[in-house]
Amino acid sequence: NAGVTQTPKFQVLKTGQSMTLQCAQDMNHEYMSWYRQDPGMGLRLIHYSVGAGITDQGEVPNGYNVSRSTTEDFPLRLLSAAPSQTSVYFCASRSGVSTDTQYFGPGTRLTVL
Amino acid sequence: GDSVTQMEGPVTLSEEAFLTINCTYTATGYPSLFWYVQYPGEGLQLLLKATKADDKGSNKGFEATYRKETTSFHLEKGSVQVSDSAVYFCALKNSNSGYALNFGKGTSLLVTP
Repeated sequence: NAGVTQTPKFQVLKTGQSMTLQCAQDMNHEYMSWYRQDPGMGLRLIHYSVGAGITDQGEVPNGYNVSRSTTEDFPLRLLSAAPSQTSVYFCASRSGVSTDTQYFGPGTRLTVL
Repeated sequence: GDSVTQMEGPVTLSEEAFLTINCTYTATGYPSLFWYVQYPGEGLQLLLKATKADDKGSNKGFEATYRKETTSFHLEKGSVQVSDSAVYFCALKNSNSGYALNFGKGTSLLVTP
């Protein structure tokens, strides 16, 4: 199993550009989520999904879109990048909503100039 | 809403010293509690967990006890090693808040030889 994979590892964008951060898991997990990690802020939940076709907002959803067309993939879209979105982004998955163990990807470091 | 508060770092210890990282939580109901660890340049990994009051989670020499009376879940290790240098996150998951994983801000630990 590859676990949770994320691409790219690093990305630099200019203000106003759009891009998609990719996340995939091969564990047949129903629950997937996106976090951003900022210094002194811990991890904050952006969006999550409890299964294919179902998504919901987390704590900091503004400026981000998600979709979940398959169980495996959960891409995060930045529609118009802003410097405030400079952060490290982590995707995570777990087998079900109430399951305890959550698996994290290696992260994407995004810089918006 | 639910929240986790953990001691601010960085914490610097000599090898073989005793480690305590404090964590307290605010939540309704009966959340599950976790400690995650993040090694440099990597994603988060589950270190240990406890799902009900008085449970003790343990792994790799680390321990934490779920104390409902003090709403705490302090992380301890009797003798730290250089390889324990990492950022440690306390987290909770609560059915009352959609099973989202809420993280503290993280505590950086540096162990010196």
